[in-house]
Parts: sequence; structure tokens; C-alpha cells
Amino acid sequence: QKEVEQDPGPLSVPEGAIVSLNCTYSNSAFQYFMWYRQYSRKGPELLMYTYSSGNKEDGRFTAQVDKSSKYISLFIRDSQPSDSATYLCAMTYYTGNQFYFGTGTSLTVIP
Amino acid sequence: DADVTQTPRNRITKTGKRIMLECSQTKGHDRMYWYRQDPGLGLRLIYYSFDVKDINKGEISDGYSVSRQAQAKFSLSLESAIPNQTALYFCATEAGQGRTDTQYFGPGTRLTVL
Repeated sequence: QKEVEQDPGPLSVPEGAIVSLNCTYSNSAFQYFMWYRQYSRKGPELLMYTYSSGNKEDGRFTAQVDKSSKYISLFIRDSQPSDSATYLCAMTYYTGNQFYFGTGTSLTVIP
Repeated sequence: DADVTQTPRNRITKTGKRIMLECSQTKGHDRMYWYRQDPGLGLRLIYYSFDVKDINKGEISDGYSVSRQAQAKFSLSLESAIPNQTALYFCATEAGQGRTDTQYFGPGTRLTVL
């Protein structure tokens, strides 16, 4: 079983829709959770970074962590065509430890 | 992110050739990483280095070697390239030194082994 599972999609939504992206994980020791966005032919860039459980909001993006269910989510409100990218979740035990990445979900927002 | 640069950006080579991919960073980070990305497999860690004197194998180090020439430079070598090493390769950096931080990625090198 992989440490981190992520549905690869692809996911296609109309502009303005609310998008929900999810990852599940198996190791309850993970403490730090991240979402990266990767545009085609580019490196992943950090989108959201959270510690432990709870919600974090940044503009149209909200990251949720439910450690009891070993489940993390990224919500995108009022999705835009510029949000079309692959979204990768990542997590680690503590700073300096190996990162574990999901395989990424491909998202297309249709104008 | 211009803070982390990779060269070359694209490379086509033949089976058996030795290839070096280079990574430089201006972020002043101690930790550097090499990943490969394949469709459906995500990012897989090849090697990582926490400082100039520290080199560690990741989950898929066979067929690869690395050199940490300086804090800012970390190169990845394929001693004898084979077709299944065709992939997108990313270098990443992390601050380390006990600071809570994340990894910052370079733009990637697309390597094709014929």
C-alpha cells in the first residue's frame, strides 16, 4: 500500500465551479501537509502548507486536514481557467524528514 | 522559480551514455533533493543531501549517483543511461536547520534515453 493515495483524475469542471481535491494516507505520524500546483512543463510550486489538523484559507483556496480520518482536501472556489494544472499533495513527519507525494490530480477548468 | 535552476532543460541521449544533470540554488538552503516524475507514479526520491558532506539514497537510487559540490550545487549522474530512465527530473531545496519549511522545486529536466 502506498503511503499517500491520490485520485489521478482527470477532473474537468466549468469555470466558477467549486473544486474538491483529496488525498488519503496510511501513516498517522504525518504532521505537515502540503499542496503543490504543477503547470505543464513546470516544476511543482507550493500552494498551501498546513501543520496538523484543521483548516487554512488563502484567497480562493482552502486546505483541510482530518487526521482522524487520515484525509486531506484542497478546495478551490470560483475556479478559473488559470487553475488548470496538476495538483499534488505531500506530507511529512516533521521538518527535515522525507516528503511523501501523491501521484497528482489533473484539473481542467473550462471557460 | 529562478531561485532553483536546472541544466539542461531537455536532453536526448542514447543507451549507455553517461549523463549529468545539474542543479543550482540561490536560496541559501542546506538541503537538496533529486526526484524523478513519471506518469502515474508521481514524484519519487532518488537522492538527497542535508549538507555538503551528507549524501543519502532515496527509494530509487540504483543506476544514479550524485555529487554535492557546494551548498548551492547538487548534480545527478546517470552512469550508463537506459531507456527506463526516460523521465522528468526535478531538483528541490529545503531550508533545514530546524526551520519548519517546505521544498522548492526547479523547473525540471526532461530526459529521453533512446
